[in-house]
Amino acid sequence: SQTIHQWPATLVQPVGSPLSLECTVEGTSNPNLYWYRQAAGRGLQLLFYSVGIGQISSEVPQNLSASRPQDRQFILSSKKLLLSDSGFYLCAWSVRWGRTPGYEQYFGPGTRLTVT
Amino acid sequence: AQSVTQLGSHVSVSEGALVLLRCNYSSSVPPYLFWYVQYPNQGLQLLLKYTSAATLVKGINGFEAEFKKSETSFHLTKPSAHMSDAAEYFCAVRGSGAGSYQLTFGKGTKLSVIP
Repeated sequence: SQTIHQWPATLVQPVGSPLSLECTVEGTSNPNLYWYRQAAGRGLQLLFYSVGIGQISSEVPQNLSASRPQDRQFILSSKKLLLSDSGFYLCAWSVRWGRTPGYEQYFGPGTRLTVT
Repeated sequence: AQSVTQLGSHVSVSEGALVLLRCNYSSSVPPYLFWYVQYPNQGLQLLLKYTSAATLVKGINGFEAEFKKSETSFHLTKPSAHMSDAAEYFCAVRGSGAGSYQLTFGKGTKLSVIP
């Protein structure tokens, strides 16, 4: 069966510090990968998605970047955190477009980031 | 563009009462629709999905949803609420064209269950 891991689970970082959040998927290959942010009262905001190694699309211009160095690894980064980067970060995967794509996304447990 | 509207950011029901969470969608293509549940400080879990087969979809934990094209609705129901159903629920619709593998989420409905 497929599983998705995120770490760390919680993180407290000062303003201006760098960030690296990691997401890995097991039990599937060639997944689509996604990063979302959930801020209080604002629902889910899609930040980045990837359809393959090195292929990253950004949905919202911001202080963050994403990379996909391996097929099942997705990293969210920042060089200098802002207070507004605080939130709950969720990674998700879905079956790559094919003859019978499911479209549904499967979510990781999330990382709670607090920027102080 | 695809969108979903969830009516009611907060819904309270008594334990044992009917749960009804409303979702209306807008889609330029035949919709694929989803309901997710999120417990505090956890990721989202897929409850059920509609993929153009049966209009009444059964999911996990006793939930079901009915696709009504004429009303552009996909409301989530459960006959009898349990305390463990207290969570936030999100409706989502798939995108179209190049974005067909993306989901657009509603803003969520927080369900409270009163003992």
